[in-house]
Amino acid sequence: ETGVTQTPRHLVMGMTNKKSLKCEQHLGHNAMYWYKQSAKKPLELMFVYNFKEQTENNSVPSRFSPECPNSSHLFLHLHTLQPEDSALYLCASSQDWDKNNSPLHFGNGTRLTVT
Amino acid sequence: AQKVTQAQTEISVVEKEDVTLDCVYETRDTTYYLFWYKQPPSGELVFLIRRNSFDEQNEISGRYSWNFQKSTSSFNFTITASQVVDSAVYFCALSEARDSSYKLIFGSGTRLLVRP
Repeated sequence: ETGVTQTPRHLVMGMTNKKSLKCEQHLGHNAMYWYKQSAKKPLELMFVYNFKEQTENNSVPSRFSPECPNSSHLFLHLHTLQPEDSALYLCASSQDWDKNNSPLHFGNGTRLTVT
Repeated sequence: AQKVTQAQTEISVVEKEDVTLDCVYETRDTTYYLFWYKQPPSGELVFLIRRNSFDEQNEISGRYSWNFQKSTSSFNFTITASQVVDSAVYFCALSEARDSSYKLIFGSGTRLLVRP
């Protein structure tokens, strides 16, 4: 496999459920990211991990909990979400996090619906 | 303040027409980077181009071309001889040099529909 792979592609969950989104990159990159894409809103950066260390939490509510066990895998654990959290969640990776010449490579996203 | 504006919400063209997607940005930095990404129906954002603020040369890649004009703070994207496969949402993004590349400020996107 190549690129950035996200699972599941679609997820429907109730507000009391606990679920996790998974992201895996096969590009040998050192940095991984979670973005949220809501309808009619620009993409929003949520979290950044560089070499497994969290370097950015963009004021994300605690009901979203990221985990990065290694540079190739990134998870987003979800619990007690709200309907307004329904969105497309995109994972991305880049070679380095501190160089402006390092473009992001995105996965296909997980379409999350909270009922 | 940083801002990226894509005033065209949706554009519809017939195949083989040329189409230009507009992008206007705001930044107080003199060093910054501009990007274009394509988001097809499958969902992933595909990186198309990166341009730094010191390089005002226009770029052409096949049917794609980009026109960077610092004087008007614009970074427009033109597709010549459009094809149905070009149908997607296109995002323009800005990254200031003080920030890492991940701190991309995205525009709201332009949905392009190319009809056969």
